[in-house]
Amino acid sequence: GENVEQHPSTLSVQEGDSAVIKCTYSDSASNYFPWYKQELGKRPQLIIDIRSNVGEKKDQRIAVTLNKTAKHFSLHITETQPEDSAVYFCAARGGGSYIPTFGRGTSLIVHP
Amino acid sequence: DAMVIQNPRYQVTQFGKPVTLSCSQTLNHNVMYWYQQKSSQAPKLLFHYYDKDFNNEADTPDNFQSRRPNTSFCFLDIRSPGLGDAAMYLCATSRDRGPEKLFFGSGTQLSVL
Repeated sequence: GENVEQHPSTLSVQEGDSAVIKCTYSDSASNYFPWYKQELGKRPQLIIDIRSNVGEKKDQRIAVTLNKTAKHFSLHITETQPEDSAVYFCAARGGGSYIPTFGRGTSLIVHP
Repeated sequence: DAMVIQNPRYQVTQFGKPVTLSCSQTLNHNVMYWYQQKSSQAPKLLFHYYDKDFNNEADTPDNFQSRRPNTSFCFLDIRSPGLGDAAMYLCATSRDRGPEKLFFGSGTQLSVL
């Protein structure tokens, strides 16, 4: 089955800095890569996703890049704000399953 | 306008005492999932339903059971909770199979005394 590795486990930045979270996956047939944000005590919510036929996708301050050859994808947050503080989970949907496999999560802390 | 609703928000049970967690959805989605999430860990899929078809993950303990009596409701039964079952239990839905967005409920935090 699919295996997703996520780094770093904790990321601390100053407000206004950029933040990058990286994930690797094992199944070369994986074709869907969502990112979920989970604020403390709240439900995970999808913030951005990318499909395997696209190399990059942007939504305001958030972008995701995908390198299928290297089997890794990254979340980029620019001009970070304190409200970006949360745990971010990457996921990959393998070619043989419609169930996404989640990474272990990255705790992003944005200091004012 | 909550779309995936879980009750209760917090549940305390005693070691070995059966407990049931509930999930309902107003989205009319075909797929419903139950995840277990322990502190600082990724959500771990326990099982899911595609319509009425039940799919159990290979490593889900027999202690965990599920029921989906209709499209809108899904239940998680823990027959004999152990201390290791204390966790956040997240229900999620997706419109269909495939590369679909998951909609999560707010979760039930289970404590086992």
